[in-house]
Amino acid sequence: AQRVTQPEKLLSVFKGAPVELKCNYSYSGSPELFWYVQYSRQRLQLLLRHISRESIKGFTADLNKGETSFHLKKPFAQEEDSAMYYCALSASGGYNKLIFGAGTRLAVHP
Amino acid sequence: GAVVSQHPSWVICKSGTSVKIECRSLDFQATTMFWYRQFPKQSLMLMATSNEGSKATYEQGVEKDKFLINHASLTLSTLTVTSAHPEDSSFYICSASGRSGADTQYFGPGTRLTVL
Repeated sequence: AQRVTQPEKLLSVFKGAPVELKCNYSYSGSPELFWYVQYSRQRLQLLLRHISRESIKGFTADLNKGETSFHLKKPFAQEEDSAMYYCALSASGGYNKLIFGAGTRLAVHP
Repeated sequence: GAVVSQHPSWVICKSGTSVKIECRSLDFQATTMFWYRQFPKQSLMLMATSNEGSKATYEQGVEKDKFLINHASLTLSTLTVTSAHPEDSSFYICSASGRSGADTQYFGPGTRLTVL
């Protein structure tokens, strides 16, 4: 079965500290993984996708097929990074049929 | 660019009535639209995928006769919750993408439905 697991409901850090939001997936095919972010009172928006191998707002994520993980990392957290982060898997390639994890709320304290 | 709107943003209705939610892509043609449901403090669950001009594809466990989806144009999809009951109360979110879904999904702001 296709599944995305985000083990932490809440991650609380201080400004300037490193951040790692964990994401593990279960999928028998070749996965397409994404991170979406939802800031307070805003809609869900794409943060980054593994095929782009890009860094957005200082965040990076590397797909580790051996560990079936796609953890989101940032070396120095900022207060404006406080938001809800969702890891998502595309079950049929491309952007179709996204399967979302439960989400992790990141709280960055001054 | 790539803005998706939903209307209404919130709605309260009586049990047994039907409610229609609109999802519009404002500045691009959305070949594919997706409807999600989100319960409080839970993740988004895909309900159905709709392609313009064809019938929606529903996820397992989603009643197609209860959640009617119409995608009549490249900029508009509607979700109608028929004979709503309190357990249908939820946050409904749509997303839209071009090129038959093989493109970034842009999300609407969501519609909060409360059934009394």
